Amino acid sequence: ETGVTQTPRHLVMGMTNKKSLKCEQHLGHNAMYWYKQSAKKPLELMFVYSLEERVENNSVPSRFSPECPNSSHLFLHLHTLQPEDSALYLCASSLGGSSYNEQFFGPGTRLTVL
Amino acid sequence: AQSVSQHNHHVILSEAASLELGCNYSYGGTVNLFWYVQYPGQHLQLLLKYFSGDPLVKGIKGFEAEFIKSKFSFNLRKPSVQWSDTAEYFCAVKAKGGGADGLTFGKGTHLIIQP
Repeated sequence: ETGVTQTPRHLVMGMTNKKSLKCEQHLGHNAMYWYKQSAKKPLELMFVYSLEERVENNSVPSRFSPECPNSSHLFLHLHTLQPEDSALYLCASSLGGSSYNEQFFGPGTRLTVL
Repeated sequence: AQSVSQHNHHVILSEAASLELGCNYSYGGTVNLFWYVQYPGQHLQLLLKYFSGDPLVKGIKGFEAEFIKSKFSFNLRKPSVQWSDTAEYFCAVKAKGGGADGLTFGKGTHLIIQP
């Protein structure tokens, strides 16, 4: 058990579908993150939430829409995705407010867009 | 903005060999540095981190890394690897001064240890 869980673990969707990825952290953290891990590319930071407010949106297309209803839950809503959006989507959490806190990662959702 | 470069994308070693994985970063300010490991089928886990103080940091499973500020490097080392060290290793950097800042990762090094 990592302390950060993600569902679903695998998702296949068509370009016209709408789906959501869910992340939950059980560590008492107050900052949460979405990263994208594509083959042969570094992990890319997508969004950062601190105290349930979005503090960073790393030039991510609007077809990705994050939501953070409370400090324990983070969602990534997906709509009209493209095949190049197929990747592993990782959620992470940390105790924000300090530079000295590491991030803890979930197992990821493997997304395939057909 | 910061960037991270990992020199070796694939490394193959025999058991008991010594390991050094290179990591260089580009950033003009003060940084926090991390090495994460991803074992096959598992999530990313923190191996070790450097925030300040002694530039030689020790992590889990016998790994260590040395921060050399003048070279903007944070190389990972292990004197004697085991088959169970087969994994993907990621170097990451975070600019100091922020709170909930994202990490900037390198592309990763895929390490294979042959028995």
